[in-house]
Amino acid sequence: QSALTQPPSASGSPGQSVAISCTGTSSDVGGYNYVSWYQQHPGKAPKLMIFEVSKRPSGVPDRFSGSKSGNTASLTVSGLQAEDEADYYCSSYAGNNSVTFGGGTKLTVL
Amino acid sequence: EVQLVESGGGLVQPGGSLRLSCAASGFTFGSHWMSWVRQAPGKGLEWVANIKQDGSGKYYVDSVKGRFTVSRDNAKNSLYLQMNSLRAEDTAGYYCARGLNFGISAHSSMFDYWGQGTLVTVSS
Repeated sequence: QSALTQPPSASGSPGQSVAISCTGTSSDVGGYNYVSWYQQHPGKAPKLMIFEVSKRPSGVPDRFSGSKSGNTASLTVSGLQAEDEADYYCSSYAGNNSVTFGGGTKLTVL
Repeated sequence: EVQLVESGGGLVQPGGSLRLSCAASGFTFGSHWMSWVRQAPGKGLEWVANIKQDGSGKYYVDSVKGRFTVSRDNAKNSLYLQMNSLRAEDTAGYYCARGLNFGISAHSSMFDYWGQGTLVTVSS
């Protein structure tokens, strides 16, 4: 049950695109297509942004997209907006109904 | 409207016990996996435990096995977390989260609704 690896910070200017990586192992990210991404604003509960690697829940802008290659998943935010500034966490199914999260990435919109 | 409301947090001494509750409304509670996820102050998210729809399966992160017990009462639309032998490192905000149902799949590891959390502080 080791945490997934995310960069602690990422940044971009309004309108730009930014990608956040999430690296695990063949026992979690690489072994299942059950990767999800959450957005968390300060003092708020996390919000589901991407599930099953690349699917968006209803209401999430299509500026948010997800992908996976091997043991690394990625969240891409296109056309950055000020309200996208938040912490982002990836998570993955890790077998036997367990879940592992990444350490989180603080996204700054410059 | 889906709502998850946690309660039961507070200050407890090391070695003490606390029982968290999560009141659910706005959906068919018994159709979803439910989880507890915690977040230490200024830190990241950590999955703590989850429980199958009928309560027949319960799973925990290694650090709480033998100390925490997750349970649910589908008749009361409620989720619980009994926390015993609490340690300073258990200090965190504890969130109740609903497992995502998508298509024919009920997921234990992806969470589409979260409560606002309840703070547990373990300190002497």
